[in-house]
Amino acid sequence: KNEVEQSPQNLTAQEGEFITINCSYSVGISALHWLQQHPGGGIVSLFMLSSGKKKHGRLIATINIQEKHSSLHITASHPRDSAVYICAVMNDKLIFGTGTRLQVFP
Amino acid sequence: EPEVTQTPSHQVTQMGQEVILRCVPISNHLYFYWYRQILGQKVEFLVSFYNNEISEKSEIFDDQFSVERPDGSNFTLKIRSTKLEDSAMYFCASSEMGLYNEQFFGPGTRLTVL
Repeated sequence: KNEVEQSPQNLTAQEGEFITINCSYSVGISALHWLQQHPGGGIVSLFMLSSGKKKHGRLIATINIQEKHSSLHITASHPRDSAVYICAVMNDKLIFGTGTRLQVFP
Repeated sequence: EPEVTQTPSHQVTQMGQEVILRCVPISNHLYFYWYRQILGQKVEFLVSFYNNEISEKSEIFDDQFSVERPDGSNFTLKIRSTKLEDSAMYFCASSEMGLYNEQFFGPGTRLTVL
């Protein structure tokens, strides 16, 4: 069983829709990353959080440590948000989820 | 804005050859990492490095792999005798103060072993 599970694996949306990507983990962590991987392969860190909620522009990340669950929300989605979104948890190293492939159509 | 850089962007090599992948971390960062991503699979941790020593390594990081910080700026990953299954994207990352800080990733080196 994977230590980090993401859902859904694939997600398509129309421009403007509200997007939610979920991440559940089974190990003890000190923090959780949300990362964005572009079609060319590059990885960008979106958030690192260990409690509560963080917001950056149209992106919101929440974490519930007791339930071992985090969500990434994208408000007013846009085609340029199309990418793979990866959840990664920190204990003594980063452990990555398999990613959620998001496609936003105009 | 400071960024992590990696060279080359794409490396093609023959099986059994040695390759060195290079990374220049962000200048005031003290912790360095290598990850790999086999095509279609998730990103996997290889090794972390601090104060000129390996601090953690995964089971993937066997005797064929080594890391080095040969000068004040470069951080290298060497694969001594490449195998077909080493074909992957290799990402370098750095952070200011270790696991409890955000990691910044380089653009990756795509290694193809023929």
